[in-house]
Amino acid sequence: EAGVTQFPSHSVIEKGQTVTLRCDPISGHDNLYWYRRVMGKEIKFLLHFVKESKQDESGMPNNRFLAERTGGTYSTLKVQPAELEDSGVYFCASSQEGTGWTDTQYFGPGTRLTVL
Amino acid sequence: QKEVEQNSGPLSVPEGAIASLNCTYSDRGSQSFFWYRQYSGKSPELIMSIYSNGDKEDGRFTAQLNKASQYVSLLIRDSQPSDSATYLCAVNKRGTGANNLFFGTGTRLTVIP
Repeated sequence: EAGVTQFPSHSVIEKGQTVTLRCDPISGHDNLYWYRRVMGKEIKFLLHFVKESKQDESGMPNNRFLAERTGGTYSTLKVQPAELEDSGVYFCASSQEGTGWTDTQYFGPGTRLTVL
Repeated sequence: QKEVEQNSGPLSVPEGAIASLNCTYSDRGSQSFFWYRQYSGKSPELIMSIYSNGDKEDGRFTAQLNKASQYVSLLIRDSQPSDSATYLCAVNKRGTGANNLFFGTGTRLTVIP
């Protein structure tokens, strides 16, 4: 079974440009999460989808970030316009229908975003 | 106060020794606790989960949870050079209605051959 995949693995853009990150969760996983790790800090939650619906977007830093999950399959995270402080590694994770408290999140390899 | 605190290390142990990794968390409502291992440039990989007080063993790994002290630890017995990685402690406060994980900054472990 394929794991969580993310594309691209690296992205280098200039301040003010737009970048779109993609995440393909494990097949059949209804829950999809986005996290971010900036240099020297811990991995922090951005938002959570259940199928195509945003369950919790309390971690989104500002309105320059837009996440979508059309059809409840893959998800995209767009940053527009990018700022220097958006640099970091963006992780996606997925889990099965998580009504139980033992639900396990499986992480993708991350997209390293560098904003110059 | 951070939600999850870990000693960032680095922690160095000789091959064959026991590595002890520690983590504290701030919210008594936390319900699920996880240890992830992350090799440089790779995805965090779940190695242990624990939900109730006490010890949970899986091969060379033992997770220990003490909810009264808000403390969770990971012991790695017979440490191998391949165990050299960053170990991330993560906590889920599911009872609050949130499913997301709170992470510590990770402890870098080096096992010296």
